[in-house]
This record gives sequence, structure tokens and C-alpha cells, in this order.
Amino acid sequence: DAGVIQSPRHEVTEMGQEVTLRCKPISGHNSLFWYRQTMMRGLELLIYFNNNVPIDDSGMPEDRFSAKMPNASFSTLKIQPSEPRDSAVYFCASSLLGLTGELFFGEGSRLTVL
Amino acid sequence: QQQVKQSPQSLIVQKGGISIINCAYENTAFDYFPWYQQFPGKGPALLIAIRPDVSEKKEGRFTISFNKSAKQFSLHIMDSQPGDSATYFCAAFSGGSNYKLTFGKGTLLTVNP
Repeated sequence: DAGVIQSPRHEVTEMGQEVTLRCKPISGHNSLFWYRQTMMRGLELLIYFNNNVPIDDSGMPEDRFSAKMPNASFSTLKIQPSEPRDSAVYFCASSLLGLTGELFFGEGSRLTVL
Repeated sequence: QQQVKQSPQSLIVQKGGISIINCAYENTAFDYFPWYQQFPGKGPALLIAIRPDVSEKKEGRFTISFNKSAKQFSLHIMDSQPGDSATYFCAAFSGGSNYKLTFGKGTLLTVNP
């Protein structure tokens, strides 16, 4: 199994630009999570989906952030417009929810907003 | 409100020493306590986990000690090696309709050769 695949691995953009991060979860997993990691705040859950349906988006910082999961094998996290304070590493993770708390993380997308 | 408190923030240990990382939780609904290990440039990966019906779990050099009454758990790394240098996150999980997985803020472990 290829694991969770994220793209791009690195993104440098200017303030005000739209950013789209992509994720392909592990085949057969029914839940997908987007996390943001910073030195100051650690790992923050932004949103999670169960069977492609958003269940909890209370961690999404503001309306500039949106996430979609159009099918079981693909999800996007979009930031529009981006701001310097959005600079962070964004992780996607997938799991078989309900069985254990084990999440399988991708390698992350490092976003820098200038 | 931080539901899982982790300490220390950073830890330096000599090769062969014991590394100890502590976590405390507040929500008694948590029923699974995993530890994740993260190397630079990588995503966190599950290292070891414990359920609250046992007080200790050991896998190789890694041991979780769990104190349900105190709502505390800790990770012990015996015979620490430079390859163990990473960031370690404790977490607490509750499943079902009240799903929640909360991470501690992480501990950066450096094992000197």
C-alpha cells in the first residue's frame, strides 16, 4: 500500500493567492483528517470526514479555509485568500474510524505564504 | 482548552539512557492512548498504544505506563539511541459517535551519541 499521498510537498505563495492542498487516503479507509502543525500550536485538527461527509469542521480557522471530499479517494483543503499566518505544515491522515485511534499520516504539505 | 498536557517540551538524553515523557488528560471518556513518533520532514506514525484496562504495555525498548486514577500516562524509552531522536506526541482517543482524538503538543527528544 502506498500510504497517504499528499501534494504538493512544498508550496510557496504570496499573500492573497489561493492555495489548494490535495490528499489521497489509504484505500479502504473510511475517515480522513486534515491537521495543521506549527511550532506554537502543535498539531491542530482542522476537519475530519467520515464516509466522505464532513463530521467536524470546528477546527477550521475561518471562512478562508474550506475542505472537500468528493469521493473516497480524494480530498482537498483550500485557502483563499492565503495569509502569512497560514504558513504551516498541513497533514492529511486516514483511518478506519471506530476500530482504533490509529491514524495514518501523509508526509505533509509545507506551506509558506510570503 | 487543552485536553492533553504533555511534558517536557524538549528532552536531551545520552545514548543508553532512559527517556521519559509524561502526559495528563482530563476527559474520562477517552479509551485509547496512542503515542506517535515524528521524524523531521515526515508525518507522525503510531509507535505504541494502550487501553485504560491495563497499567503497562511494553514493545521492545518502548513502554507505556498508565495511571487511570491520576489520568496520567507516560512513555519510557529504555537504552535510548540516537535513532530515537524525534518528536513524540501523546494522544487520547474516544470513538463511536463522540469521536475525538486529541494530541499533546509534542516533545522533541534528542539522544546524544
